[in-house]
Parts: sequence; structure tokens; C-alpha cells
Amino acid sequence: AQSVAQPEDQVNVAEGNPLTVKCTYSVSGNPYLFWYVQYPNRGLQFLLKYITGDNLVKGSYGFEAEFNKSQTSFHLKKPSALVSDSALYFCAVRPPGGATNKLIFGTGTLLAVQP
Amino acid sequence: EPEVTQTPSHQVTQMGQEVILRCVPISNHLYFYWYRQILGQKVEFLVSFYNNEISEKSEIFDDQFSVERPDGSNFTLKIRSTKLEDSAMYFCASTTRGSGTEAFFGQGTRLTVV
Repeated sequence: AQSVAQPEDQVNVAEGNPLTVKCTYSVSGNPYLFWYVQYPNRGLQFLLKYITGDNLVKGSYGFEAEFNKSQTSFHLKKPSALVSDSALYFCAVRPPGGATNKLIFGTGTLLAVQP
Repeated sequence: EPEVTQTPSHQVTQMGQEVILRCVPISNHLYFYWYRQILGQKVEFLVSFYNNEISEKSEIFDDQFSVERPDGSNFTLKIRSTKLEDSAMYFCASTTRGSGTEAFFGQGTRLTVV
């Protein structure tokens, strides 16, 4: 079955420190990979995506993610965390060859950045 | 910047009642979606809609659910007879044709069934 795993329910990091939010996927073929962020009482906001090409992709608000095909991972990273980065982060995958562009989401990781 | 808009932001309904959730996707987008997020759980795909018909639906999307695009702008999700377990945040999303394009999500409608 196609799935996305975010092994950490919560990640705590001090402001100014680097952060990593982990994501692995189980999808056959070459999926498209996405990260979304959800602030309290808000919708999902697109951060970045991997389609093809360079394994390191850069997105909004200084976030980046590294695609690793052998490990089937797409971890979200930021060199220096801000308190305002505190939010719920979702990894999502779009399986290849589907009839539509539906997304399969992970369970989400709550990022808490302490001042 | 164009955005997906959803109304209402919060709906409370009694069990067994019909509800209609409304969405206005981004105007030049071609694929439309409904997702739901039960409190504390992950976002789940419900249905996709393209060219005025359902293109894919999940096992959650049973006969109690229906979608419609009654005019050129609105996209609605109807739940015919709500159950307590339908309580969730419902998100509308839209994309352009390309499979590599990101989905734009609305702010969501929080449905509470009592």
C-alpha cells in the first residue's frame, strides 16, 4: 500500500539551531514529493516540492528538503530555526501514474521552536 | 495572490441533517479536491473532480457524499445525512493540469456534528 511516514509526532528545537523534520515514503515508481505547513486554525500552505532533478530543493521561508531515493526519504530542513516556524508540518506524496493528482499525507509533525 | 476560499468557516449541524460545504477554487485550475482532517489525525483524500465528473474517490467517500460544480466557480461537497464521525475539518484544494504542480488549499470548514 502507498503510504507516507513521519516518525516524529513532535520536534523540539531552540531558536537559531538547525532543524530536521523526517519523512519517508512507500510508493512504487518515482513519486512527486511535497511539504506543507499548517498554522493553527489555518489551511495547508505549500512549502516545497521535489519532481525531478537536483535532490536538494529549496522552498519558502528558508526551508529546504533533500530527496534520497535509496532511503525513500524526503526530510525537511532549515539551517536556523525561528520561533515563527512553530507549526504542524505535513509530508505528502503524489503517486506516479495516477488518474488524478491526489496527495497521500503523513500524520504530521509538530515543530516547536523555543526562544 | 490567487487563493482557494471556503465557506462557512465553521458549521454545526445535528446528526442526520444534510450539509453543503462550499469552495471557490482558483479560477484557472482544472482539478478540484476535497480532503478531510479529523481532529489530531492526518489529512485524508476524499475525492477528485475533473471535467465535471468524479475522477477518483476514496473508500471514505460513500453514498452519503456527493460533489458538484453547479456553475463555473463553485465546487461543493454535500453530506446527505451527517453522522457524528463526520466531524472534521474539510479542506478544498485545486491544481492546474500538470501532475507536478502543487495543490492550493482553502482555509477549511470545521464541521461539528452533534
